[in-house]
Amino acid sequence: DIVMTQSPDSLAVSLGERATINCKSSQSVLSSSNYKNHLAWYQLKPGQPPKLLISWASTRESGVPDRFIGSGSGTDFTLTIGSLQAEDVAVYSCQQYYSTPFTFGPGTRVDIK
Amino acid sequence: QVTLRESGPALVKPTQTLTLTCTFSGFSLGSTNMCVGWVRQPPGKALEWLALIDRDDDEYYTTYLKSRLSISKDTSKNRVVLTMTNMYPVDTATYYCARLPGSGYNWNAFDYWGQGILVTVSS
Repeated sequence: DIVMTQSPDSLAVSLGERATINCKSSQSVLSSSNYKNHLAWYQLKPGQPPKLLISWASTRESGVPDRFIGSGSGTDFTLTIGSLQAEDVAVYSCQQYYSTPFTFGPGTRVDIK
Repeated sequence: QVTLRESGPALVKPTQTLTLTCTFSGFSLGSTNMCVGWVRQPPGKALEWLALIDRDDDEYYTTYLKSRLSISKDTSKNRVVLTMTNMYPVDTATYYCARLPGSGYNWNAFDYWGQGILVTVSS
């Protein structure tokens, strides 16, 4: 199974400042067939289902603000929230869909400082 | 408009079997390259993928729960059913069903999710 790790476990950022979350996979999730990284980022808020923010490591879903930026390739990935807004307080989780069993990272909690 | 909704018991006793149903609309599991899967989240813990079924009735399961899980679909009724046997208190979680475009040749992310159902395992 591919193991997903995230760092930090939590972080507190001032409104308008940048938040950076790291995600690492135990093996590459870059496909040799489509040359894409099979890596997604989800936003988790209490009482709500997970929301897909980014797929293919860097493709924002429709309606996701452009302050959410995904980057990275192979085994190392980053989610950057460019200018933190109050509504961005949540847990963020990465997931690999390169192969089954699909696996999620443990999550990173983002709060306002 | 794509929607998914989970239904089933909110409370099960230890050793019982859990049966959850995902009823969806806005897409078909019969004619398109779509899958439906189940993901759970224990209180305060991380998301955990459980199972997935595709258009061709191929089934995929997480490794360590494979012996306890079964997934099936009724394409005509737009339903996917998950059963988990021998439930333990540690299986207490919110269970989600979610749509996954793609197939075993090219997986994708879970793009639409149900609201989830909290299942508590307690005597």
